[in-house]
Amino acid sequence: GAVVSQHPSRVICKSGTSVKIECRSLDFQATTMFWYRQFPKKSLMLMATSNEGSKATYEQGVEKDKFLINHASLTLSTLTVTSAHPEDSSFYICSARTGDLKNIQYFGAGTRLSVL
Amino acid sequence: DQQVKQNSPSLSVQEGRISILNCDYTNSMFDYFLWYKKYPAEGPTFLISISSIKDKNEDGRFTVFLNKSAKHLSLHIVPSQPGDSAVYFCAASFMNRDDKIIFGKGTRLHILP
Repeated sequence: GAVVSQHPSRVICKSGTSVKIECRSLDFQATTMFWYRQFPKKSLMLMATSNEGSKATYEQGVEKDKFLINHASLTLSTLTVTSAHPEDSSFYICSARTGDLKNIQYFGAGTRLSVL
Repeated sequence: DQQVKQNSPSLSVQEGRISILNCDYTNSMFDYFLWYKKYPAEGPTFLISISSIKDKNEDGRFTVFLNKSAKHLSLHIVPSQPGDSAVYFCAASFMNRDDKIIFGKGTRLHILP
């Protein structure tokens, strides 16, 4: 299947700092990428849909100024958690759609963010 | 309102036997259904999918069955292996719409030795 790389896999930061997470599609071009958040023992929560060259579409309740998404190319989307607070600590996962009609999303390995 | 429901949070199955994971949905307009497998601290891995116009899709040990009249789908794993122990997410999507995939809450599968 298609490969999606997410970096870093783990980050620990101080409260008030910003953290950038990268998501790359390695062997295909992804016009659409997605960012999810997973709370312990919960399902995946879609945060935003990222389209190459345009503004991201955020789900209800997700602060766009807090979670900045940039999709500058067909293979790279970034999520920046600005002014991180302990409640932002979570597991963040990106995915990319291959663009065929099957609408299969391929996921990165996830980033564990811990805000002290 | 939960459109994709996995009512069993966990399931234990003996190694070598069949694992059956169930999923119900409420929206009859879904075009595509998918199953993902997830290990702790990793991203989900795509397993198998099925179009709404089919009732069965098979790939190796994995078979997905779709019952549209009951709005129900199931994933069968046979024979179950220790490496199958993971959380399985059922998901549904619309084709040619906003590309979102709607996930269920997942079922944790334990394969017993």
